[in-house]
Amino acid sequence: AQSVAQPEDQVNVAEGNPLTVKCTYSVSGNPYLFWYVQYPNRGLQFLLKYITGDNLVKGSYGFEAEFNKSQTSFHLKKPSALVSDSALYFCAVGGYQKVTFGIGTKLQVIP
Amino acid sequence: EAQVTQNPRYLITVTGKKLTVTCSQNMNHEYMSWYRQDPGLGLRQIYYSMNVEVTDKGDVPEGYKVSRKEKRNFPLILESPSPNQTSLYFCASSGTGYVRTEAFFGQGTRLTVV
Repeated sequence: AQSVAQPEDQVNVAEGNPLTVKCTYSVSGNPYLFWYVQYPNRGLQFLLKYITGDNLVKGSYGFEAEFNKSQTSFHLKKPSALVSDSALYFCAVGGYQKVTFGIGTKLQVIP
Repeated sequence: EAQVTQNPRYLITVTGKKLTVTCSQNMNHEYMSWYRQDPGLGLRQIYYSMNVEVTDKGDVPEGYKVSRKEKRNFPLILESPSPNQTSLYFCASSGTGYVRTEAFFGQGTRLTVV
């Protein structure tokens, strides 16, 4: 069975500092990995995905993620956090006929 | 504008009273799914559909039904709602490639069963 782990319920970072939101996964076969963001009272919005190719994937709003096959990780990163980045972030993995989401990590950017 | 539309956005109902949450997408997507979001549990898939007349159970299907008679619509039916179905529900769709393709989500339906 496929699964996703987001080990941190919440990540706090000062505005302007780099941020990392962690994600590890387990899936049979090639992993299809995604990050989504959810703002209050909104649906999830796609940020970026890894299907194949370069291990560093660039996405929306200056976010990027690094795929590490040996560590089965797909951490979300941003060089300089903004207050407006504060939201709930979900990692997801695509497997046979379904996509499995993590429990989410709340990112709080402190002014 | 590409979108997934859910209705209603908010719903309060009583135990046992049948209800339907509608979902419609305008992107001609083949794959549609329903999720529920609960604190500490993240998003869990209820049902999914890979095409018209093709549906299958997700991780938490008990107490729910779906149908896919048209490509654009994928309603979620609660025949006899119970308080443990109080949750935030999301419909999503994605195109060819299914699990390799990003999903578009609706705005959510907050359901309270009393």
